[in-house]
Amino acid sequence: LAKTTQPISMDSYEGQEVNITCSHNNIATNDYITWYQQFPSQGPRFIIQGYKTKVTNEVASLFIPADRKSSTLSLPRVSLSDTAVYYCLVLPGNMLTFGGGTRLMVKP
Amino acid sequence: NAGVTQTPKFRVLKTGQSMTLLCAQDMNHEYMYWYRQDPGMGLRLIHYSVGEGTTAKGEVPDGYNVSRLKKQNFLLGLESAAPSQTSVYFCASSYGGRGNSPLHFGNGTRLTVT
Repeated sequence: LAKTTQPISMDSYEGQEVNITCSHNNIATNDYITWYQQFPSQGPRFIIQGYKTKVTNEVASLFIPADRKSSTLSLPRVSLSDTAVYYCLVLPGNMLTFGGGTRLMVKP
Repeated sequence: NAGVTQTPKFRVLKTGQSMTLLCAQDMNHEYMYWYRQDPGMGLRLIHYSVGEGTTAKGEVPDGYNVSRLKKQNFLLGLESAAPSQTSVYFCASSYGGRGNSPLHFGNGTRLTVT
């Protein structure tokens, strides 16, 4: 099963771009890279998903190199409300367990 | 659409008591899942279902039972609660089991076992 590794925590300031990198060396051919956001006392919320190259939506961008062994979630111009835990998963490989995620703290 | 709805939101049990957590989804999803999240930790899969009438064990199934009698509902039961089962329980659903079917989560049930 694919295992993901991401930083435990990151700090940023309002208005900055935040990039969170995740490594998934054992990603399988049928795995998709998926990112979730979780606020306290809420369930994880789907942010973005990709298979290769670059994906962009109204919330974030996801960059995936050709070997797919890592990925980078990019949050443009973060605000205080982006303070949350961000989980990187490869699905369906990571279905059993979400890792600890990256705790992002956005400061004024 | 309500998405994924979990009831109750909070519950306190004494050791040895039983209870059932209900998860309902209105997205016509085939797959449903139960996770638990302990403080400061990620989520661990307890049981899941790939369709009505089917269930399967996840990573931490001991002490729990599940049933999927209707496609839209997935029940999680604790027959004899233990303090180690104090946790936040999240239900999720997805259209299918492929990697491009992201999970949709409810807002959790906070369970305390004393």
